[in-house]
Amino acid sequence: DAKTTQPNSMESNEEEPVHLPCNHSTISGTDYIHWYRQLPSQGPEYVIHGLTSNVNNRMASLAIAEDRKSSTLILHRATLRDAAVYYCMWGGDKLTFGTGTRLTIIP
Amino acid sequence: DAGVIQSPRHEVTEMGQEVTLRCKPISGHNSLFWYRQTMMRGLELLIYFNNNVPIDDSGMPEDRFSAKMPNASFSTLKIQPSEPRDSAVYFCASNGGTSNQPQHFGDGTRLSIL
Repeated sequence: DAKTTQPNSMESNEEEPVHLPCNHSTISGTDYIHWYRQLPSQGPEYVIHGLTSNVNNRMASLAIAEDRKSSTLILHRATLRDAAVYYCMWGGDKLTFGTGTRLTIIP
Repeated sequence: DAGVIQSPRHEVTEMGQEVTLRCKPISGHNSLFWYRQTMMRGLELLIYFNNNVPIDDSGMPEDRFSAKMPNASFSTLKIQPSEPRDSAVYFCASNGGTSNQPQHFGDGTRLSIL
């Protein structure tokens, strides 16, 4: 079972950085870590993924621990549009969505 | 660039009726996934296809559910007969077929069985 552990909810002030943690201590050696987010009334949206090295894209950065048992999604400057449920997952073709972290952005 | 297209967006029907949900994946994608989302169980993978062949249907709840992918540009998820507990949002997603490629989701079909 591709289990991950994330906080149920987090809050952040607008225009400040947000660090969303995820534990995936049972991850296998070749599986990627994936992050998706789901805005209200929409389908999940891909955010970022990585294997071992830290990754950056236009949406976020992904910091992966050296032992790969945890990772952190970093939103560098949160906006109100970043309010969503953020899911951390690992696996091959089959991604298992957990309960995610509900991120609230305070104006 | 068209994304994953699902139809209908909303469906309300009475229990016992047959329900057919449709999905058109992104052109060129060769893997397709069907998910179901409810408040109680969250997002669950029902079945996924690779090159139009079902690879894993272990998430399909019971025999009332069936899914087909007759060609690379179309898939259906059918429920017959439908029951109130099937009420949920059903999402379709597609990707290029390797495990490190992002899945692109459609906007979902909100299904209500009365």
